[in-house]
Amino acid sequence: DAGITQSPRHKVTETGTPVTLRCHQTENHRYMYWYRQDPGHGLRLIHYSYGVKDTDKGEVSDGYSVSRSKTEDFLLTLESATSSQTSVYFCAIGTGGVFSVQAFFGQGTRLTVV
Amino acid sequence: DAKTTQPPSMDCAEGRAANLPCNHSTISGNEYVYWYRQIHSQGPQYIIHGLKNNETNEMASLIITEDRKSSTLILPHATLRDTAVYYCIVRVEGNNDMRFGAGTRLTVKP
Repeated sequence: DAGITQSPRHKVTETGTPVTLRCHQTENHRYMYWYRQDPGHGLRLIHYSYGVKDTDKGEVSDGYSVSRSKTEDFLLTLESATSSQTSVYFCAIGTGGVFSVQAFFGQGTRLTVV
Repeated sequence: DAKTTQPPSMDCAEGRAANLPCNHSTISGNEYVYWYRQIHSQGPQYIIHGLKNNETNEMASLIITEDRKSSTLILPHATLRDTAVYYCIVRVEGNNDMRFGAGTRLTVKP
């Protein structure tokens, strides 16, 4: 299995509190991605990074921020969690370039906002 | 703005080939076809991708029609562990937004 780890795997938090999810890779891949998965919507891209300190928005970025200070770590922050952000969050890594693919996905973080 | 159409579900007998179709009639010349699968509660798994030639790897084969308007993912000898949702995605090379639709839920039966 690819060296990609998400933490925590499960979290319950209260509305209005900040939450940070971590994605850690040991593959030295340039690209890292955060997705959310909800019933009826499939997987949707939140943010992605194409290098240290280089990030860009995806389809559903409102309410989320990201940071990448090291190649191996990509953090997703919900500044003030809302119930609509209850979801399963997946991190992915990829090599980028012409054949850029989200090659490997983490096991997911199940976040519940109450 | 769905770019692909897949049947919502399919069954396959264990040991037989599973042929999963995907329609992408509006595909443009610089769009690749990607296939992923997601086994229950796990993260998606990349399977294969191609532009216009047929491709094969250790997991599956990808057959793309000559006009590129449709493709078929073939799992040559399906096992129970191949039961999953399979996603067909078209994407321009270099575009980082991989759009996952509803996919096909494949059930491999003993």
